[in-house]
Amino acid sequence: KNQVEQSPQSLIILEGKNCTLQCNYTVSPFSNLRWYKQDTGRGPVSLTIMTFSENTKSNGRYTATLDADTKQSSLHITASQLSDSASYICVVSGDTGTASKLTFGTGTRLQVTL
Amino acid sequence: KAGVTQTPRYLIKTRGQQVTLSCSPISGHRSVSWYQQTPGQGLQFLFEYFSETQRNKGNFPGRFSGRQFSNSRSEMNVSTLELGDSALYLCASSRRAATRQSYNEQFFGPGTRLTVL
Repeated sequence: KNQVEQSPQSLIILEGKNCTLQCNYTVSPFSNLRWYKQDTGRGPVSLTIMTFSENTKSNGRYTATLDADTKQSSLHITASQLSDSASYICVVSGDTGTASKLTFGTGTRLQVTL
Repeated sequence: KAGVTQTPRYLIKTRGQQVTLSCSPISGHRSVSWYQQTPGQGLQFLFEYFSETQRNKGNFPGRFSGRQFSNSRSEMNVSTLELGDSALYLCASSRRAATRQSYNEQFFGPGTRLTVL
């Protein structure tokens, strides 16, 4: 069964600190991996999309890495800000990339405090 | 360019009632997908439409149905509501249907929060 597991489930950090969120998946075959940010009461917003051949991609203070051999990805947030408080969802796409082939993790809830 | 819009944003219904949710995709996008999001399960795929045709359906009972209109707007309907249907229903649009060779970036709407009492 295709699965995406994220850790930790929740995380509290001080403003200005860095943090790393983890995503392990068992989806096969693999097309791409996406990280989304979801603010409370809002829809998810795409941060990065990585295909099999990409092992790192950045979007401002967000850097995602992908190890397709170990089926692991991480999202690193640098110099966190209060606005980074949100849920971060890892999504892995099967071979066709259609919506029905997306497997979603349950997310990591990040809270950035003063 | 306006994003994906969903109406209504909040809805309260009682068990046994039915509900219709609406989604307007980004202009020019022809593919619309629907998801149910609950705290314990995360996002679960409901349907995917492209050019008024349902391309895929998730593992949900027949009480959940949907359609897409010629202007790409989409609606989903849930009949005979149950307490467990309480969730955030998200709609996402993309420019085209995905192919084996390309991925398809989705843009999500803000969701409709449905509460069933």
